[in-house]
Amino acid sequence: EDQVTQSPEALRLQEGESSSLNCSYTVSGLRGLFWYRQDPGKGPEFLFTLYSAGEEKEKERLKATLTKKESFLHITAPKPEDSATYLCAVQGPAGTALIFGKGTTLSVSS
Amino acid sequence: SAVISQKPSRDICQRGTSLTIQCQVDSQVTMMFWYRQQPGQSLTLIATANQGSEATYESGFVIDKFPISRPNLTFSTLTVSNMSPEDSSIYLCSVKGVGPETQYFGPGTRLLVL
Repeated sequence: EDQVTQSPEALRLQEGESSSLNCSYTVSGLRGLFWYRQDPGKGPEFLFTLYSAGEEKEKERLKATLTKKESFLHITAPKPEDSATYLCAVQGPAGTALIFGKGTTLSVSS
Repeated sequence: SAVISQKPSRDICQRGTSLTIQCQVDSQVTMMFWYRQQPGQSLTLIATANQGSEATYESGFVIDKFPISRPNLTFSTLTVSNMSPEDSSIYLCSVKGVGPETQYFGPGTRLLVL
């Protein structure tokens, strides 16, 4: 069964304190791994899609990496505005449905 | 990226009633999806809505409970029928982007069933 597990469930950081979020997955034939940011009361905002092991993508203070079993979202020198829930999802060979993890809620304090 | 709007943004409903949620996209898209996000749970796909054909429902979701319409390439509706408190959730519309695999989400409809 395709599955996505995110850890930790919650993460509290001080401004400038870098860290990583983990997304472990099992899927038969990965078509893509997606990262989203979700602010309270809003829909998920697309961040990245990764397609194959070894791929990396960056956006401002965020960097996503992918291996055959997991993905990391590295946050460098976070700011309070980075506080949000970060969602990971995988897409299998059928190419339609996204299977989501429960998310990691990040709080960055100044 | 696609701009997606949903109506209503939130609602409080009585059990046994039905609510229809609208999803409007600013460009023509082939595939539209409806997801549910229950408190503390993952986003879960309800169904895929393709224009000109019947919606495809995921395991655990049935057409009688969640009828979907897709009259054109920019619009879809999801109805939550005969609601119970267990249907209290956020319902999200999503569309497949053009080019590399992407999916974009609307702002969601927050439903509370009393």
